[in-house]
Amino acid sequence: GESVGLHLPTLSVQEGDNSIINCAYSNSASDYFIWYKQESGKGPQFIIDIRSNMDKRQGQRVTVLLNKTVKHLSLQIAATQPGDSAVYFCAEDGGSNYKLTFGKGTLLTVNP
Amino acid sequence: SQTIHQWPATLVQPVGSPLSLECTVEGTSNPNLYWYRQAAGRGLQLLFYSVGIGQISSEVPQNLSASRPQDRQFILSSKKLLLSDSGFYLCAWSVGHTNEQFFGPGTRLTVL
Repeated sequence: GESVGLHLPTLSVQEGDNSIINCAYSNSASDYFIWYKQESGKGPQFIIDIRSNMDKRQGQRVTVLLNKTVKHLSLQIAATQPGDSAVYFCAEDGGSNYKLTFGKGTLLTVNP
Repeated sequence: SQTIHQWPATLVQPVGSPLSLECTVEGTSNPNLYWYRQAAGRGLQLLFYSVGIGQISSEVPQNLSASRPQDRQFILSSKKLLLSDSGFYLCAWSVGHTNEQFFGPGTRLTVL
């Protein structure tokens, strides 16, 4: 079956560096993608989303890039801070109006 | 603004006992509601979703059931818990045909 996956399960960066978290998806019907941040013991928190008619979207310190040709999604965090330490999940809609399929997650650790 | 509540926050139950987890949403009408389970260090597995009162879609056949007795109330139940039911249970909501889902704080269930 088609799935969403991540290239790197863990990522460790120094405070102030930029972070890049990658995600591969295989469902060509996916039209909508979201990145979530989940801190330990808490529910996932929406970070940023992007639709398939775009290839880049920027938020506050975060940028999502979508490459539909190779079915790749990335989350870039500028000037990473200790508070950014969390597990980051990508999710795709698989063409559904209601459901999301989540990737396995990447643990980001920011070293002071 | 919209808020989502889950209770209890933590629960320890013996094998074979019943389960009832509750989720309520405030500040929106006719939300789509979702139950996910997250095993330790893993991604999110969609268990059930509902697009209206009394309507339940099951994603994974298992020991659990869901009900939606009111527009903004979603309940996850089991008649007899198994050890494998342990995990972090998350409720989420979305509106209309958008897939942007917002998560509750979660319930940590330990079955002994």
